[in-house]
Amino acid sequence: EPEVTQTPSHQVTQMGQEVILRCVPISNHLYFYWYRQILGQKVEFLVSFYNNEISEKSEIFDDQFSVERPDGSNFTLKIRSTKLEDSAMYFCASSGLNPHNEQFFGPGTRLTVL
Amino acid sequence: AQTVTQSQPEMSVQEAETVTLSCTYDTSENNYYLFWYKQPPSRQMILVIRQEAYKQQNATENRFSVNFQKAAKSFSLKISDSQLGDTAMYFCAFSNKNTGNQFYFGTGTSLTVIP
Repeated sequence: EPEVTQTPSHQVTQMGQEVILRCVPISNHLYFYWYRQILGQKVEFLVSFYNNEISEKSEIFDDQFSVERPDGSNFTLKIRSTKLEDSAMYFCASSGLNPHNEQFFGPGTRLTVL
Repeated sequence: AQTVTQSQPEMSVQEAETVTLSCTYDTSENNYYLFWYKQPPSRQMILVIRQEAYKQQNATENRFSVNFQKAAKSFSLKISDSQLGDTAMYFCAFSNKNTGNQFYFGTGTSLTVIP
């Protein structure tokens, strides 16, 4: 059964450094998402991406964040200058033609900013 | 604003027994979807069950069923005949058909099935 995959599973970085989190969505899906979960808190929406552009973003998704689909398979989240409060689990998700049917989630990348 | 509340951070149930996980939500919209996702330890979230708000009939998937009370904005998950593999974090989520594709999640309930 197709799955969303994410790499790396754990990323440790120094404050101020750039990080890129990678995701491979399910191949025939059309919508792509990033969510994050700070330890002990809710899973929060960051951004959705459709037809090669951002379709929706939350207040969290400020100028420090960007997303890209550099080829036909990868979907990346870049944080330009990481802050301590960016430490969280980051989940990628994808969905088909009707995004309200189901979003398929990856296993997450745990980002630790020191 | 849409919010989802799960008031039970942790629950436990004996194997083969039934357990109900609570979820309430707040929205002014009429056309929306509700979900329960399961996240086993160190694994990704997978969809357990989905309910469309305009359908009065409660969704059922094998041992999993919901009690959807639209007026009360309540969406509880019942797990019958609990199995050890049901041990996981369970997240309730909400999606609004008319105002975007994002999912709103609750904080989760950690369920442990005791042998």
